[in-house]
Amino acid sequence: EIVLTQSPGTLSLSPGERATLSCRASQTVSAGYLAWYQQKPGQAPRLLIYGASNRATGIPDRFSGSGSGTDFTLTISRLEPEDFAVYYCQQYSSSPITFGQGTRLEIK
Amino acid sequence: EVQLVESGGGLVQPGGSLRLSCAASGFAFSSFWMSWVRQAPGKGLEWVANIEKDGSEKYYVDSLKGRFTISRDNAKKSLYLQMNSLRAEDTAVYYCGRGKWNFDLWGRGTLVTVSS
Repeated sequence: EIVLTQSPGTLSLSPGERATLSCRASQTVSAGYLAWYQQKPGQAPRLLIYGASNRATGIPDRFSGSGSGTDFTLTISRLEPEDFAVYYCQQYSSSPITFGQGTRLEIK
Repeated sequence: EVQLVESGGGLVQPGGSLRLSCAASGFAFSSFWMSWVRQAPGKGLEWVANIEKDGSEKYYVDSLKGRFTISRDNAKKSLYLQMNSLRAEDTAVYYCGRGKWNFDLWGRGTLVTVSS
């Protein structure tokens, strides 16, 4: 199975700053079959990005995804207070579908 | 309103069984693959299983094959997860999600606790 490793584990930033979250795969993720989710405490995850770089419906354009092969990045251009949450990457290139362990984005 | 609502969770003893349900509304349920994803307390997300639009194809994470069964009833717009031989490590919030590979709509989840 493809193992996804996210870094950093925790990212401490202030509103207005730029956030860069990394997701590295143990094998090539074909055709950019990688997604990103945001999860806030007590809530279900929310799809942000699919196909490595496509924003899901209703997702603000401050969220962007990039990367290919084994290295992927989620960038939040200017952090809003509501962006502080846990972020997961997920690959669907091969079975089983797997998730990274998450990056916690906290207010500095 | 477009939504998914899970139910059926609760406290069950090790070795017991539980059937989770997920009721869909506001969209054409029979046109979508559906999935189950779980999250142990304080942990990350784990994909459990998915099912094709008409129920003809089903896929599971290897570690759960033989104990869990996914099914659906398109007339009732419902998704199910039958869980047998439950273990402490199955304790988690179980979410249903719309989609085969990535999930653009999630329910709020139902908590399953396996404990004596």
